[in-house]
Amino acid sequence: DGGITQSPKYLFRKEGQNVTLSCEQNLNHDAMYWYRQDPGQGLRLIYYSQIVNDFQKGDIAEGYSVSREKKESFPLTVTSAQKNPTAFYLCASSIDLAGGETQYFGPGTRLLVL
Amino acid sequence: KQEVTQIPAALSVPEGENLVLNCSFTDSAIYNLQWFRQDPGKGLTSLLLIQSSQREQTSGRLNASLDKSSGRSTLYIAASQPGDSATYLCAVKGYWAAGNKLTFGGGTRVLVKP
Repeated sequence: DGGITQSPKYLFRKEGQNVTLSCEQNLNHDAMYWYRQDPGQGLRLIYYSQIVNDFQKGDIAEGYSVSREKKESFPLTVTSAQKNPTAFYLCASSIDLAGGETQYFGPGTRLLVL
Repeated sequence: KQEVTQIPAALSVPEGENLVLNCSFTDSAIYNLQWFRQDPGKGLTSLLLIQSSQREQTSGRLNASLDKSSGRSTLYIAASQPGDSATYLCAVKGYWAAGNKLTFGGGTRVLVKP
């Protein structure tokens, strides 16, 4: 089965703590994305990557960091600098960046602050 | 800066009625427009993708139209069913957007009553 997996489904963060959200895809897609969704709102782009070892900031990158060491993996770290991290985080992938093909989404991780 | 708006934010209809969901965008220089479905606490599923050169796309009971000049798209769902209950989001890719960046609307939450 091809698709995108995210783990964990729920994640709790203590104040001052860094936490990492996992995203894995077996679609052989070059491009991967991280979005944040707040209640009743659309998605906002945090970071995106078009190829291994390359990534770019999106609209709301402050307080977040990513890495792309493997094509199939794009983990997101929510750092202590992110003062309002409670949200639903969605990872997505697409064949590439240029063509505008649809993005495929994972099931999401809900991050809550203790 | 592209802004995408979806009105109404919520909609409730009896089963069998046709659904009409609206999406408007401020910058008509778009590459494409997509409609997604999101079930509660889940990721997004792509429903229809309309390229900027197209006027509409159809898939089963779903039909989406695009009018770039007026900055509008409409998603029609014929003969609604309780299983259509979900949040529907539209997203546009700007013609000059870097990184296949999508700008999302806030979504319309739909409830189809049996």
